[in-house]
Amino acid sequence: KAGVTQTPRYLIKTRGQQVTLSCSPISGHRSVSWYQQTPGQGLQFLFEYFSETQRNKGNFPGRFSGRQFSNSRSEMNVSTLELGDSALYLCASSLDPYTDTQYFGPGTRLTVL
Amino acid sequence: AQSVTQLDSHVSVSEGTPVLLRCNYSSSYSPSLFWYVQHPNKGLQLLLKYTSAATLVKGINGFEAEFKKSETSFHLTKPSAHMSDAAEYFCVVSDKSGNQFYFGTGTSLTVIP
Repeated sequence: KAGVTQTPRYLIKTRGQQVTLSCSPISGHRSVSWYQQTPGQGLQFLFEYFSETQRNKGNFPGRFSGRQFSNSRSEMNVSTLELGDSALYLCASSLDPYTDTQYFGPGTRLTVL
Repeated sequence: AQSVTQLDSHVSVSEGTPVLLRCNYSSSYSPSLFWYVQHPNKGLQLLLKYTSAATLVKGINGFEAEFKKSETSFHLTKPSAHMSDAAEYFCVVSDKSGNQFYFGTGTSLTVIP
């Protein structure tokens, strides 16, 4: 079974631009969660989608948004990029996060210049 | 509220000696607890999880963890460290709905030849 895939793997943007990251979950998984990982803050939860609905959201500004499609693929968008948005963005999928394991993708490394 | 505290930011062991990575959790109910490992430039991989079954949980690569409710701990152990174990380890607790995971700040494990 193919794992969680994230595209692109690396991205360089400048301040003020916007970016869209993509996550394809494991086949059959309906839950997709997004995390931001930085050296200073560690791993922080962004949001979780289940069957195209955002069920939970972490403590991030409105510049961070996401969506999930009917095939469970998910996108995350960050508008008006700031230098502090430079991070590794991880996506995880599961059948149900509480009862099932979350499987993580390799991440997208975003650098904001 | 749920949270985890990883008591050591860095642990260094010699190859062949035991590994102990400490994690204390805070939860207002019976939690689900996880240990994940992250190798350099890789995504997170699940080592093991506890979901109110046996208190001693066996994971992959010879790792195991013991859930101790009285001590609110979920320490990760391995009898004999291998060079390939060098990585960052995260202790994680999920909330009751399972919609959000709370990550510890991570423990960096170094294995000395």
